[in-house]
Amino acid sequence: DQQVKQNSPSLSVQEGRISILNCDYTNSMFDYFLWYKKYPAEGPTFLISISSIKDKNEDGRFTVFLNKSAKHLSLHIVPSQPGDSAVYFCAASEVSEKLVFGKGTKLTVNP
Amino acid sequence: NAGVMQNPRHLVRRRGQEARLRCSPMKGHSHVYWYRQLPEEGLKFMVYLQKENIIDESGMPKERFSAEFPKEGPSILRIQQVVRGDSAAYFCASSSRLAGSGDTQYFGPGTRLTVL
Repeated sequence: DQQVKQNSPSLSVQEGRISILNCDYTNSMFDYFLWYKKYPAEGPTFLISISSIKDKNEDGRFTVFLNKSAKHLSLHIVPSQPGDSAVYFCAASEVSEKLVFGKGTKLTVNP
Repeated sequence: NAGVMQNPRHLVRRRGQEARLRCSPMKGHSHVYWYRQLPEEGLKFMVYLQKENIIDESGMPKERFSAEFPKEGPSILRIQQVVRGDSAAYFCASSSRLAGSGDTQYFGPGTRLTVL
């Protein structure tokens, strides 16, 4: 039973355009959501998070949107840069609990 | 990766041997989590520890796997009598669990275990 789903295994965008990565979840008890970026042979790097009491959080080029009624969140990267090419993982947790990860979306930003 | 240290980075074992993976959390963090990533999969939770306590081991296989986080020293994930299916990347994360804030976990670089 996959509680966090990233339905797009891959995404390709042009440099300078917007990248939108999507994530759906099924557990209504999740109240904290995070995005991690991962390069091959490295550990996940924390990007941005959002609490369930908010619907948007922004940090530089990265914005995360949360739609609780739809159990959906998305990560927007604008403008996209070639260095953003990596695998992006969505993760969710209940209060003070373990993280549940999606399977990841491989983003390729073409120069 | 935000100061979480893991060693070794690569570990090769033959079937039946023991594997010991070490994790030192970020300075000031007292909560440690272990995750496993199989090829083409996301990370799967294994165990959550605080100093000298196992808080949640719901993701740990019932046999051969154990974890500890002693009062002094790193957290250790131990796999006894390894089998080929144990080959994976094992990641450690730590957090500070500040009251009133979300629990952001910061990851180490991982240990890649290969069982021959």
